[in-house]
Amino acid sequence: DSGVTQTPKHLITATGQRVTLRCSPRSGDLSVYWYQQSLDQGLQFLIQYYNGEERAKGNILERFSAQQFPDLHSELNLSSLELGDSALYFCASSVGLAGGRWDNEQFFGPGTRLTVL
Amino acid sequence: GNSVTQMEGPVTLSEEAFLTINCTYTATGYPSLFWYVQYPGEGLQLLLKATKADDKGSNKGFEATYRKETTSFHLEKGSVQVSDSAVYFCALRLIQGAQKLVFGQGTRLTINP
Repeated sequence: DSGVTQTPKHLITATGQRVTLRCSPRSGDLSVYWYQQSLDQGLQFLIQYYNGEERAKGNILERFSAQQFPDLHSELNLSSLELGDSALYFCASSVGLAGGRWDNEQFFGPGTRLTVL
Repeated sequence: GNSVTQMEGPVTLSEEAFLTINCTYTATGYPSLFWYVQYPGEGLQLLLKATKADDKGSNKGFEATYRKETTSFHLEKGSVQVSDSAVYFCALRLIQGAQKLVFGQGTRLTINP
């Protein structure tokens, strides 16, 4: 158990709908990352938050958005869903900045499997 | 850009066989290199890492050496077990800039008793 929790575990919805995925980081971790794992694109970085602020953006679609709340949990919002959005969405957390360095280990949650029908 | 290429899977071996999973990378800066493992129904777990050239990462009998001259980080294990069956991902992270991990496509490993 990594200490990172994600809910829900599975989500089935229809095209055009909107869903929210939730992530709670490990206790003490300030940084949250979202990754998408799909059959055709593999594992891709979407976005990173650090202590409530967006820190880095990857291949995240405009239909997707995320935020990190004061209690450090994060939500990934996916809207106008398409069949191609079906994937496993992982959240990871790390301490963020420690000892002047950012390159600290990322701990992954179990993922949310999204199926768009 | 930054990218990671892993050997195509799936890989099927018998118990106690020798394992090599090839990984090469392209990076604009000086990366740290990682191997992650994903067991069925679980998230990714860090298996081992190396942060500079010629470093050897090791864990649970697995090893990988950071080879800057060949831009490679091949995963090896001398004697695999059924419990090693999983998907293995090679990844890099640049020391500077965004802390995102860049992953290879993953290699599914199945060990038969």
